[in-house]
Amino acid sequence: GDSVTQMEGPVTLSEEAFLTINCTYTATGYPSLFWYVQYPGEGLQLLLKATKADDKGSNKGFEATYRKETTSFHLEKGSVQVSDSAVYFCALSFSGGYNKLIFGAGTRLAVHP
Amino acid sequence: DGGITQSPKYLFRKEGQNVTLSCEQNLNHDAMYWYRQDPGQGLRLIYYSQIVNDFQKGDIAEGYSVSREKKESFPLTVTSAQKNPTAFYLCASSYGVGDNQPQHFGDGTRLSIL
Repeated sequence: GDSVTQMEGPVTLSEEAFLTINCTYTATGYPSLFWYVQYPGEGLQLLLKATKADDKGSNKGFEATYRKETTSFHLEKGSVQVSDSAVYFCALSFSGGYNKLIFGAGTRLAVHP
Repeated sequence: DGGITQSPKYLFRKEGQNVTLSCEQNLNHDAMYWYRQDPGQGLRLIYYSQIVNDFQKGDIAEGYSVSREKKESFPLTVTSAQKNPTAFYLCASSYGVGDNQPQHFGDGTRLSIL
């Protein structure tokens, strides 16, 4: 079935370090891909999305490129801040359905000064 | 500001008791969803509703029930049949279905067993 796999956390970085969180997917069709972020004690917020191959989603210095050939949607940021500490979820959904989101397990990021 | 409001933030359930989690949205979204989040896991879909007076089971509907009498409201009842209800519950909503509209989430309700 359709699924999303993320790298296990926690990922621990110093402030201003480069961030990569890997995400790969398995899908029978051509899904849209999303990154959501969850800050402690809160719900999820949409961080960025891409709806077709080679699209790049970007927001708040984060970016991810939809790579159909490697079925990947890795999240990157050039210089992380302490305020980026959160759990990041990769997800996919298909058009023609009911907007069902299939989530990865989440990757916790901890950034220290 | 528009958004999704979940209440209460924390909820405790006694054995054999049903409890209801509230979810209200003022985003004028047609579709609403309930997810369960367990530690170290992603979100799993419990129920979803595409339109008023209609709802469908998600992946883990057993032990839960919902209603959708108003566009703005989608309450979730955790029944006594749900043997492991301790989790973080998230409500979400989106415009329509079938066109990959992003889902907007509330801040969640944490349910624990007394």
